[in-house]
Amino acid sequence: QVQLVESGGGVVQPGRSLRLSCAASGFTLSIYALHWVRQAPGKGLEWVAVISNDGSEKFYADFAKGRFTISRDNSKNTLYLQMNSLRVEDTAVYYCARDGLYSDKNGYLNGVEAFDIWGQGTMVTV
Amino acid sequence: EIVLTQSPGTLSLSPGERATLSCRANHTISSTSLAWYQQKPGQGPRLLISGASDRATGIPDRFSGSGSGTDFTLTISRLESEDFAVYYCQQYGNSLPWTFGQGTKVEVK
Repeated sequence: QVQLVESGGGVVQPGRSLRLSCAASGFTLSIYALHWVRQAPGKGLEWVAVISNDGSEKFYADFAKGRFTISRDNSKNTLYLQMNSLRVEDTAVYYCARDGLYSDKNGYLNGVEAFDIWGQGTMVTV
Repeated sequence: EIVLTQSPGTLSLSPGERATLSCRANHTISSTSLAWYQQKPGQGPRLLISGASDRATGIPDRFSGSGSGTDFTLTISRLESEDFAVYYCQQYGNSLPWTFGQGTKVEVK
């Protein structure tokens, strides 16, 4: 079964750090880029960061630059989000999501331009 | 940054009725890059439509997407009880950052 399962959320004081994890199963993680998306209580979805399939490229939303670090360990089928200098406004459910596009063994792009698999989220309260 | 504006904010309808949700972008985006998601309370979003009109695997054909340029639409032809939820549009990769609309809630009238 294809799934993503987040963990690591909790209650933390402003200025402190937290590391979120996202465990993947049911598919070959190493061919997909992965995203973090957050949702403040009662609000909409907000993209946080993306990491390429091999970890060589990373991009962040402006609010995350310099404070958050996305990383992955394909050998462990796990995505991470290190969050430092947390602020009250970082309070949200954090979701990991699979990018629907991937390169096949011939280097051709396949899949869909969307986030096709999402986890159930982990709550972070600052 | 591409801003997506969804309307209406809330849609009150009865089961069996047709729902029409709008998503408007502040700049032209590629049709291949517009997606729709459904989210129910306590759950992560679920991909419904990619490429503006392509249903994701397992999505019933009562869901359809259309549009181009700056105006896109998600239509649910006959609402079922499980369709009452919040719906988000998203622009994928036209430019950083990836952005979502603010959502449309479809509620029972």
